[in-house]
Amino acid sequence: AQKVTQAQTEISVVEKEDVTLDCVYETRDTTYYLFWYKQPPSGELVFLIRRNSFDEQNEISGRYSWNFQKSTSSFNFTITASQVVDSAVYFCALSEVGSSNTGKLIFGQGTTLQVKP
Amino acid sequence: DTGVSQNPRHKITKRGQNVTFRCDPISEHNRLYWYRQTLGQGPEFLTYFQNEAQLEKSRLLSDRFSAERPKGSFSTLEIQRTEQGDSAMYLCASSLEAAQETQYFGPGTRLLVL
Repeated sequence: AQKVTQAQTEISVVEKEDVTLDCVYETRDTTYYLFWYKQPPSGELVFLIRRNSFDEQNEISGRYSWNFQKSTSSFNFTITASQVVDSAVYFCALSEVGSSNTGKLIFGQGTTLQVKP
Repeated sequence: DTGVSQNPRHKITKRGQNVTFRCDPISEHNRLYWYRQTLGQGPEFLTYFQNEAQLEKSRLLSDRFSAERPKGSFSTLEIQRTEQGDSAMYLCASSLEAAQETQYFGPGTRLLVL
């Protein structure tokens, strides 16, 4: 069965610290996609990144970077030099494409990040 | 702004009343998804449409819930005889046709059932 686990419920850091948000997933499919979304206090989910199961290259976008490791079924997200505006709930999500064509997202429970000035 | 829009943003209703929410997807997107998010949890899939066809429904979608997308554009989600357990954020997302395409979310409708 598919499942996404974000073991860190809440993380608090001081501005300019680096922080890593963990995501572990379970799936039997060989073809799947992983996503990260940000949910600020306003409530709207903001797309950050999509990764397919065949591409294990790490990705960097500004202060954001993602580490995808199939061997450990993990897709971790690091924010470098955190800022107060990074405070939000972050969700990791899985979409199985191999066995299902729905594209439905399976979300983790989210990690609340608080960045203090 | 051409993102996903949802109306109303907030709805307070009394138990037993019917409510209807609307979602307008990004115009060129064929797929439309509904999710429900309760406090402290991640969103959970409810149903999705490919154009006007409703292709999958979660077991979370009881018979009090019905969703439509009559012309393959906007969608409505209706809850009949609301219960306090229906209180949640209802999120709509849209994407291009393929299952692996990125879903873009609307701001959500927050429902409170008294």
